[in-house]
Amino acid sequence: GAGVSQSPSNKVTEKGKDVELRCDPISGHTALYWYRQRLGQGLEFLIYFQGNSAPDKSGLPSDRFSAERTGESVSTLTIQRTQQEDSAVYLCASSLEHQYEQFFGPGTRLTVL
Amino acid sequence: GESVGLHLPTLSVQEGDNSIINCAYSNSASDYFIWYKQESGKGPQFIIDIRSNMDKRQGQRVTVLLNKTVKHLSLQIAATQPGDSAVYFCAENRYTGNQFYFGTGTSLTVIP
Repeated sequence: GAGVSQSPSNKVTEKGKDVELRCDPISGHTALYWYRQRLGQGLEFLIYFQGNSAPDKSGLPSDRFSAERTGESVSTLTIQRTQQEDSAVYLCASSLEHQYEQFFGPGTRLTVL
Repeated sequence: GESVGLHLPTLSVQEGDNSIINCAYSNSASDYFIWYKQESGKGPQFIIDIRSNMDKRQGQRVTVLLNKTVKHLSLQIAATQPGDSAVYFCAENRYTGNQFYFGTGTSLTVIP
């Protein structure tokens, strides 16, 4: 079946602009995660959605970052007034409820000039 | 602060040799760990997991060892192949729920 998909695969933007990144999880996966991965570094947790529960936003680095999820499907991560330090690969993952294994998408590479 | 980290940022091995990738964690309350493999340009892929009530788990060509006394996790890859070249991350589940914390990663290069 289809895996996790993300779009766009690459995004180049100018400092100060807003960007929206999209994630389509695997059908039936109630949990969805966003991570940030800077070059040569590990994954930094950003936000976690589980079903209809309130999302865990504890990893969002500033109020410029926000994310939404429509039901148990697509999610968008929005970064407002982008800064150069926002340049990174943004990874989305999904999992079944009460299952630990996360299935990752290919990521969106964001470059802020 | 608490963290998940790796001892060796890079590792090079000859094809056919065994590889050992290490990971240290500091939260003794963590009860579940996963190793992920990330190939260039792709998202991480699950390799193997282990719960804190175990000290060893084997998969196909991979073995994970957990030493809770010293808070150390290792991934052993037998007969390493060129296709094993990737960055390997350990991740720990510190709290109830599905939130994981990932280490920095070790880059494994297999020399043909």
